[in-house]
This record gives sequence, structure tokens and C-alpha cells, in this order.
Amino acid sequence: QKEVEQNSGPLSVPEGAIASLNCTYSDRGSQSFFWYRQYSGKSPELIMFIYSNGDKEDGRFTAQLNKASQYVSLLIRDSQPSDSATYLCAVNPGSSNTGKLIFGQGTTLQVKP
Amino acid sequence: NAGVTQTPKFQVLKTGQSMTLQCAQDMNHNSMYWYRQDPGMGLRLIYYSASEGTTDKGEVPNGYNVSRLNKREFSLRLESAAPSQTSVYFCASSRHLPSTDTQYFGPGTRLTVL
Repeated sequence: QKEVEQNSGPLSVPEGAIASLNCTYSDRGSQSFFWYRQYSGKSPELIMFIYSNGDKEDGRFTAQLNKASQYVSLLIRDSQPSDSATYLCAVNPGSSNTGKLIFGQGTTLQVKP
Repeated sequence: NAGVTQTPKFQVLKTGQSMTLQCAQDMNHNSMYWYRQDPGMGLRLIYYSASEGTTDKGEVPNGYNVSRLNKREFSLRLESAAPSQTSVYFCASSRHLPSTDTQYFGPGTRLTVL
């Protein structure tokens, strides 16, 4: 089992819809969770991070964390064609401050006008 | 403020050749990282440096060496390149270790080993 798993997609949604991206992780002791966006041929950029169970909202983006079920999700409201990219989930596992981030393989999102 | 810079942007090597990938950051960050990204594999950590003078192995360190030259610069060396090292290499930095801090990525180096 991979440490961090994402459905590679592509996930296709119409413009204006809600896109839901999911990520599961295997290390129950994981402390912090990150969502990065990566456009084709570009480097990853951070969208959000979350440490506590529940929801965290930032503009059109909402991160949701459920440590009991070991999953983290990213909701994108009012999806725009410019949101079309690969979304990477990253987890800082176990005893933190080890400098390690474990990335999932990414989910490709396509927003169709 | 250039952020994280990497050189070269593209490189083609023959099997057995050596090369060094350079990375520099101008954000006064303490921690720096080297990742590789392969199709369908996500980003995998090769080595990281929590602070100047220290380096540690990540998930996939075999075949690589690193040097934290000073606070700004962190280089990655391939001593004897192999086709399996064909990949996109990203350098990243953060103020501190990533449990509480954002990592900022450089533009990447696309390496092909023939």
C-alpha cells in the first residue's frame, strides 16, 4: 500500500461546479497535510495546509481532514478553466520535524467551459 | 527576489557520466530539499538539509550525493548517471522543516540519461 494515495483521474467537471479531490494516507501518526497545485510543465505551488480535524476554508478552496478515517480532501467551489491542473496531496508523516513530505501521485483536474 | 533558482533547465547525459545540479534560494530559508518527479509517481524526496551544515537521506537517495554549500545553495550530484535517473528534478526550500512551513519549489531540471 502506498503511503499517500490519490486517484490519478482525470477528474472532469463543468465550469462553475464543485470539484472534489481526495487523498488517503497510511501513517496514522501523520501531523500535517498539504495541497499543492502543479500546472503542466511547471513546479508545484502550495494551495493550502491543514493540521486539525475539520474544515479549513480559503477563498474558493476548502480543505477537509479526518484523521480517524485517514483522509484529506480538497474542494474547489465555482471551478474555473484556470483551475485545470494536477493537484498533489502531501503528508508530513509520523514523528514530524523529520524534513520529509510524502506526496501522492496527483489528481489531474479538467474544468470544461 | 528570484525565489528558488535551478541550473541547468535541461540536460542530456550518457550512461556513466557525472553532473551536478545547482540550486540556490534568496529567501533566507533554513531548510532545502531535492525531489525527483516521474510520471505517475508524484514527487519523491531524494535528500534534504534541515539547516546549513546538515544533510539527510530521503526516500530515494541511492545514486545521488548532496552538498549544502552555504545557507543559500544546495547541490545534487550524480556520480555515474543511469537511465533510471531520467526524471524531472525539483529543488525546494522552506524557512524551517515542513511540518509547519510552506515549501517553495524551483522551476525544475529536466534530465535525460541515454
